Amino acid sequence: QKEVEQNSGPLSVPEGAIASLNCTYSDRGSQSFFWYRQYSGKSPELIMSIYSNGDKEDGRFTAQLNKASQYVSLLIRDSQPSDSATYLCAVKGSTGGFKTIFGAGTRLFVKA
Amino acid sequence: DTGVSQNPRHKITKRGQNVTFRCDPISEHNRLYWYRQTLGQGPEFLTYFQNEAQLEKSRLLSDRFSAERPKGSFSTLEIQRTEQGDSAMYLCASSLPQTDTQYFGPGTRLTVL
Repeated sequence: QKEVEQNSGPLSVPEGAIASLNCTYSDRGSQSFFWYRQYSGKSPELIMSIYSNGDKEDGRFTAQLNKASQYVSLLIRDSQPSDSATYLCAVKGSTGGFKTIFGAGTRLFVKA
Repeated sequence: DTGVSQNPRHKITKRGQNVTFRCDPISEHNRLYWYRQTLGQGPEFLTYFQNEAQLEKSRLLSDRFSAERPKGSFSTLEIQRTEQGDSAMYLCASSLPQTDTQYFGPGTRLTVL
């Protein structure tokens, strides 16, 4: 079992729709969770971080965390073609170390 | 520009050669990370510095890889006796003290022929 799992996609949604990206993780004691966006040929850029159960909203983005289910998701409302990218889920483990584990990413295509 | 910078941006080398990459973090960030990313995969953790101390190193990192951060500012990553399997994007990230939010540099793309 991979430590952080994401559906590789591609996920295709029409412009204006809600895109839902999902991630599961194996370390039950993980405390810090992140979503990064990565355009082709570019480095990852942070979209959101979330640390406690529930929802966290920032503009068109909402991150959802459920530690009991070891599940974190990202919703993108009113998707735009410029949102087309790979979305990486990242989890910082609970062992007291500093290692952050990234999933392989989900490719999102927003069709105009 | 106050972001994380990396040099060179691209490096092509022949198998068996040594290469060195440099990372300059955001000035007030004392935490510095190196990652490796191959096509279709997420960044893979290599090592972590807090100030000048290397506090964590991936078990995946062979003895051919070494990293330094001598004065707690910029960092270098050296790969000795490069192999074709080392071809990847090498990413550096930094973060503020007491936070886990990492900011990535543009990366150095290594091609080993």
